[in-house]
Amino acid sequence: KAGVTQTPRYLIKTRGQQVTLSCSPISGHRSVSWYQQTPGQGLQFLFEYFSETQRNKGNFPGRFSGRQFSNSRSEMNVSTLELGDSALYLCASSLGTTNGEAFFGQGTRLTVV
Amino acid sequence: DQQVKQNSPSLSVQEGRISILNCDYTNSMFDYFLWYKKYPAEGPTFLISISSIKDKNEDGRFTVFLNKSAKHLSLHIVPSQPGDSAVYFCAARRTGTASKLTFGTGTRLQVTL
Repeated sequence: KAGVTQTPRYLIKTRGQQVTLSCSPISGHRSVSWYQQTPGQGLQFLFEYFSETQRNKGNFPGRFSGRQFSNSRSEMNVSTLELGDSALYLCASSLGTTNGEAFFGQGTRLTVV
Repeated sequence: DQQVKQNSPSLSVQEGRISILNCDYTNSMFDYFLWYKKYPAEGPTFLISISSIKDKNEDGRFTVFLNKSAKHLSLHIVPSQPGDSAVYFCAARRTGTASKLTFGTGTRLQVTL
């Protein structure tokens, strides 16, 4: 059973640009969540998509957005990049039920210069 | 407001001994708890979880204990192995927020020979 796949693994962008990250969940999983990991803030929840609908949202500015497709694949977009957006962005896949575990991809390391 | 806290940033344990990692939470609405292990530049790997209706869950060398009255959980690793050296994150989930995890800041475990 294939795991969670995130692309690309590494990305360098310039301030002011926008970026799109992709996540393919485990087959059969309908929930995809996104997290940002930085040294200062740890792992912080961005948002969750379930059956193409945003179900939960963290405390991030509107520059951070996402979507989910009918095959459960998800994309995350960050517009007008800032230096502080440099982080490891992690995607988690789960069944989306009340209990059950979330499985993470290897992440996309975004560096904003 | 840090709702999930791991007060020990690091822990060093000899190979073969028990490792005990601690986690405290403040939100009484959390009803499902998970432990993840993370290597640098990789996504977290799920280890073990526990529902709030239980006080203990075991899986091989890993045991998680939950003390709801104290809002405290701990992860025991017995016996500790050098390959267990990593950062361990405690995470919690609230009823009705299916896949939204709130993470602690992590504890770096070093298992020495």
